[in-house]
Amino acid sequence: QSALTQPASVSGSPGQSITISCTGTSSDVGGYNYVSWYQQHPGKAPKLMIYDVTNRPSGVSNRFSGSKSGNTASLTISGLQAEDEAAYYCSSYTSSSTLGVFGGGTKLTVL
Amino acid sequence: QVQLVESGGGLVKPGGSLRLSCVASGFTFSDYYMSWIRQAPGKGLEWVSYISSSSTYTNYADSVKGRFTISRDNAKNSLYLQMNSLRAEDTAVYYCARTQADGYYFDYWGQGTLVTVSS
Repeated sequence: QSALTQPASVSGSPGQSITISCTGTSSDVGGYNYVSWYQQHPGKAPKLMIYDVTNRPSGVSNRFSGSKSGNTASLTISGLQAEDEAAYYCSSYTSSSTLGVFGGGTKLTVL
Repeated sequence: QVQLVESGGGLVKPGGSLRLSCVASGFTFSDYYMSWIRQAPGKGLEWVSYISSSSTYTNYADSVKGRFTISRDNAKNSLYLQMNSLRAEDTAVYYCARTQADGYYFDYWGQGTLVTVSS
C-alpha cells in the first residue's frame, strides 16, 4: 500500500484537460511544498515533470502544471496529446520517514 | 548532457548478493545527493536509499535496512548499491537518480538495471 493515494487510471480525448490527484496527510503533502511528479512511458525511466508543487523543469511543456490544496496535490495536463499517454507518479517529502514517499501511480489513456 | 548508466543487475538466488553500479557524466557528481529507486514488475516506484554528496549521510527504506549498503566514489563519478541477503521481493528494476536534497526530488534518472531473485 502506497503512502500517497492516486487514482489507478484516468482518460481524456486529445485537446482536453485532465487532472490527476495525489492525496496524502499533513505529514507529507499537506505539510510541505515538496511534491514532485514523474511521467513514465512503458519500458522507460521516469522523467521529472513538476517539482516543489508547481515548478516545471526546463524543457517540460507548459501544458503540464501542478497545484496543491490541503493534503491533496494535483497534476493538470491541458491540450492532451497522444504522447502524454503514460503512467504518472507523485512523490513527497514526509516527516514520517527518513525517505520520501511515492504514490501508487496513475495510468493516463488518451482516447 | 547529464547521463546516468547503471550496471550489475542479473539473476541471483535467494540469500545471494549483488552489487549495482551507476556511472555519472555531464555534471559535477560530487555536488549532488544520489539515490537508488526500484520498481517491481508491474508495480510502482519505491525509494530505496540515498547518499549525500560527500557520503556523510545515508538513509534506507525499512524494507532493505541492514541488507543493502549505498556508497559512492566521487573520484570515479560512481554510485553503488551492495545488496546482500536478497529476497524474492527485491526483484525489480533499480534506477539511480540524481537527487535534489533541498526538495526531495529526482531530476535525472538512469535507464535502470533489472535484478531478479529466484531459485
